Amino acid sequence: EAQVTQNPRYLITVTGKKLTVTCSQNMNHEYMSWYRQDPGLGLRQIYYSMNVEVTDKGDVPEGYKVSRKEKRNFPLILESPSPNQTSLYFCASSLRVGYSNQPQHFGDGTRLSIL
Amino acid sequence: AQSVSQHNHHVILSEAASLELGCNYSYGGTVNLFWYVQYPGQHLQLLLKYFSGDPLVKGIKGFEAEFIKSKFSFNLRKPSVQWSDTAEYFCAAFERNTGKLIFGQGTTLQVKP
Repeated sequence: EAQVTQNPRYLITVTGKKLTVTCSQNMNHEYMSWYRQDPGLGLRQIYYSMNVEVTDKGDVPEGYKVSRKEKRNFPLILESPSPNQTSLYFCASSLRVGYSNQPQHFGDGTRLSIL
Repeated sequence: AQSVSQHNHHVILSEAASLELGCNYSYGGTVNLFWYVQYPGQHLQLLLKYFSGDPLVKGIKGFEAEFIKSKFSFNLRKPSVQWSDTAEYFCAAFERNTGKLIFGQGTTLQVKP
């Protein structure tokens, strides 16, 4: 079954304690992306990757890091989390965004609470 | 910078009413346009997309959208909503030059039975 898997689904942690949210897709997609969803602000793109070893900043990259060492995985790293990073995070992938007949597949989301 | 604006933040309709949700984007170059739906507690699902060709696109669940290039708009429509359409709707624009996908703020639709 085609899917995007995020882990963990829920996490409560404290300020400054490094954390990683994993994202894995099994569709051999080139494009992967991370978003955060906040009430009234919609989804905002944090980082995206057009292919292995290629990553670019989205609209809100501050405080986040990503890596794309292999095609299937695109982890989101918070080196020193702060309370303003409390949010709902979505990972998504597509063959190539904009490629005909290939929509973005979203993961189920990770709800992070930073105390 | 490119932006996507959704004019209606919260819409309340009765069942069988017609729906139109506004979406405008600011980018002047080539864009691909999408509408996504998010049911409570779930992830986003694609409703429909516009890449090129016929500006009137049909999606799942009876939704359609019209791309009007001169107005930079991509409004979502449905002739008769159902209670099960209660959800949050997001318009998004993909900027082909950069690979960025920009979402609007979202519109919460509440359909009363």
